[in-house]
Amino acid sequence: EIVLTQSPGTLSLSPGERATLSCRASQSVLSSYLAWYQQKPGQAPRLLIYAASSRATGIPDRFSGSGSGTDFTLTISRLEPEDFAVYFCQQYGSSPYTFGQGTKLQIK
Amino acid sequence: QLQLQESGPGLVKASETLSLTCTVSGDSISSDLSYWGWIRQPPGKGLEWIGSIYYTGRTSYNPSLKSRVTISVDTSKNQFSLKLNFVTAADTAVYYCTRRDGYITEAFDIWGQGTMVTVSS
Repeated sequence: EIVLTQSPGTLSLSPGERATLSCRASQSVLSSYLAWYQQKPGQAPRLLIYAASSRATGIPDRFSGSGSGTDFTLTISRLEPEDFAVYFCQQYGSSPYTFGQGTKLQIK
Repeated sequence: QLQLQESGPGLVKASETLSLTCTVSGDSISSDLSYWGWIRQPPGKGLEWIGSIYYTGRTSYNPSLKSRVTISVDTSKNQFSLKLNFVTAADTAVYYCTRRDGYITEAFDIWGQGTMVTVSS
């Protein structure tokens, strides 16, 4: 099973700032099958990024993903108030599909 | 627009069977390259993939739950279901039904709103 470790656990930033979230895998993620999801309180997760760097339909271009192998990054270029949420990475290249423990992005 | 809706009891007694159904609307559950499944999230915790099914009935389960899980599909009703046997307090969670897109993203692009299931002693 591939273990995903996200850092930091909590990130405190202000609107307009740049956010950088990290996801490290215990072994190489097959074909860069790495996704990022955003989850707001009381809501289901929403797919932001798939295949490490492709934005899902309707996702603003301030969200970008990068990385390959075992190290992946989600970057939000200029934080909007609605971006403060919990972010999960997930690998879906090897069963069982696994998630990171999440990074909480909170307003400073 | 494809939508998923979970239904089932919100309270299950320990040692009994948790049963949930997901109704698919806006598309056929028999669509090529759509994989249907379940993901759960204990209160305040992270996400755990439970398993997936293709409309043909082919399944894939998380080994950590495989001995207790059955996922089935009913194409006539455009529904798929989850059964989890011998539940304990550790199975208390929000259960999401999901669609994994096997065509473009290959990720979990559609989620139901989730349903909270509490296991009582």
